[in-house]
Amino acid sequence: QVQLKESGPGLVQPSQTLSLTCTVSGFSLTSNSVHWVRQPPGKGLEWVGAIWSGGSTDYNSALKSRLSISRDTSKSQVFLKMNSLQTEDTAIYFCTRNWEGFDYWGQGVMVTVSS
Amino acid sequence: DIRMTQSPASLSASLGETVNIECLASEDIYSDLAWYQQKPGKSPQLLIYNANSLQNGVPSRFSGSGSGTQYSLKINSLQSEDVATYFCQQYNNYPHTFGAGTKLELK
Repeated sequence: QVQLKESGPGLVQPSQTLSLTCTVSGFSLTSNSVHWVRQPPGKGLEWVGAIWSGGSTDYNSALKSRLSISRDTSKSQVFLKMNSLQTEDTAIYFCTRNWEGFDYWGQGVMVTVSS
Repeated sequence: DIRMTQSPASLSASLGETVNIECLASEDIYSDLAWYQQKPGKSPQLLIYNANSLQNGVPSRFSGSGSGTQYSLKINSLQSEDVATYFCQQYNNYPHTFGAGTKLELK
């Protein structure tokens, strides 16, 4: 069955770089795109970016200068790197598969930016 | 960026009641709209895609409608398990923007 699971550090210091991994199973990264969505505590959802089945990427323009999404298809993993983290980047980060709408989601990983 | 204005922000309804949630896009999104349900501490769950297509496994009391810039989610015969926050999302253009959410509670 389709599964996605995020992993990464729970705490990141301000100005440092966040590195997250999304490990997928039950589908191929060369057939479906994977997107990242984040949610600050108690707030709404924000689309972060995506990597498409062909390997191209799209980013939220508000984050583009700090963001990089890549993948390793042999390991069925998608990577998110965001630099110059600030407290407002504190959020739950989800990876999700795009089919028609985001049909499968990971459980999310809580990232806190704090010294 | 396309702005998604969702209303109401919160809603209180009784069991068995019919509930409507609205989403207004700042420009035509050509029915590229999804609705999600999120329960506390859980990931969002896809309910509706392409404005009116019911995701597999979602109860038929949920339905979506609309076109152009105006869309709505309808829940017939409200059940206790429907207590959640609901979000709309457009995927016609980047960034794929979400509405601010509607928190649905039981009266």
